[in-house]
Amino acid sequence: QVQLVESGGGVVQPGRSLRLSCAASGFTFSYYGMYWVRQAPGKGLEWVAGISYDGSNKYYADSVKGRFTISRDNSNNTLYLQMNSLRAEDTAVFYCARENGVGDLFFWGQGTLVTVSS
Amino acid sequence: SYELTQPLSVSVALGQTARITCGGNNIGSKNVHWYQQKPGQAPVLVIYRDTNRPSGIPERFSGSNSGNTATLTITRAQAGDEADYYCQAWDSQHEVFGGGTKLAVL
Repeated sequence: QVQLVESGGGVVQPGRSLRLSCAASGFTFSYYGMYWVRQAPGKGLEWVAGISYDGSNKYYADSVKGRFTISRDNSNNTLYLQMNSLRAEDTAVFYCARENGVGDLFFWGQGTLVTVSS
Repeated sequence: SYELTQPLSVSVALGQTARITCGGNNIGSKNVHWYQQKPGQAPVLVIYRDTNRPSGIPERFSGSNSGNTATLTITRAQAGDEADYYCQAWDSQHEVFGGGTKLAVL
């Protein structure tokens, strides 16, 4: 069965960096685009970034462009999100999700919490 | 930037029909997806590409999309349908989520 397991969250000071990982299993990872979606405490879903199946195309929300970088390692079935210059407003649960061609997110991980605080 | 507008909350009597709208400029020309999220859980896709149900989603859930409004319809509402619901669409190399609607089943 499809499994997506995020890791790398934690407490970080403003201005510092953090890298999230998403380990995928149960499907051919290199066939699918992948997304990061976040949810601030008590708030709605916010799309963060997306990457095509082969890593050739990457897309970012305006709120993170220039600070966050999405990448993938198809040989290790892992998705990444490098987050630099973190701000308090980046505090959220970050989910990775598998998309099915037109942004339809059939499978989600359980999420990893990132807290940006001094 | 593109925006999707949802009502903050919708109430429905047990066993009745709930309709949750998602407004956006010419949204009828886009693929719209809907997610259900219960407290402390990851979202679950309930409708994709406007009208399609993933396997395991009850037939009580249906979707439509035309003009400037997409709609998620839940018939014979059950207590277990209480959740937040989000619409989603793609525009100009960005995915966009609606602000979410809290469904209360009375």
